[in-house]
Amino acid sequence: DQQVKQNSPSLSVQEGRISILNCDYTNSMFDYFLWYKKYPAEGPTFLISISSIKDKNEDGRFTVFLNKSAKHLSLHIVPSQPGDSAVYFCAASVGNAGNMLTFGGGTRLMVKP
Amino acid sequence: NAGVMQNPRHLVRRRGQEARLRCSPMKGHSHVYWYRQLPEEGLKFMVYLQKENIIDESGMPKERFSAEFPKEGPSILRIQQVVRGDSAAYFCASSQVDVLISGANVLTFGAGSRLTVL
Repeated sequence: DQQVKQNSPSLSVQEGRISILNCDYTNSMFDYFLWYKKYPAEGPTFLISISSIKDKNEDGRFTVFLNKSAKHLSLHIVPSQPGDSAVYFCAASVGNAGNMLTFGGGTRLMVKP
Repeated sequence: NAGVMQNPRHLVRRRGQEARLRCSPMKGHSHVYWYRQLPEEGLKFMVYLQKENIIDESGMPKERFSAEFPKEGPSILRIQQVVRGDSAAYFCASSQVDVLISGANVLTFGAGSRLTVL
């Protein structure tokens, strides 16, 4: 039972345009959501997070939106840069306990120059 | 600060052999987590340890897998009698605070150890 799903395995975007990565979850107990970015041969690095009391969190070019009623969150990157090309993982937890991080399968973003 | 260090980066084992993966957390971090990424899948939680204690091993297979984080030295993930299905990337992460109590925490991941079982 996949509690966190990223239905798009890959996404290709032109440099300068917006990248939108989507994530759906099924467990209504999740109350903390994170996005991690992963380059080949490296570990995931934390990008941005949002708690369930908010519906938006912004950090520079990265914005995460949370729609609790739809159990959906998205990561917006604008403007996209070639260096953003990586695999992006959505993760969710109950009470931000690291041992309970449930990851999606990842979306590979390719930003074309 | 070297970050979370994992070794070996690549390990090849034949079926039935043992695999040992090591993880040194970031300086000042006393909490270690192991995650496994099977091909084409996301990361799955295996175990959460503090120094000399296993806090949560709910994601660890009941047989052949064990983990420790001794008072001195790195955390070790040990897989006995490996099978082909154990082939995966094993990621270690560390954190500074007790995530079961703190409301704010982010895990720092190592680069992973890729295990291939022939």
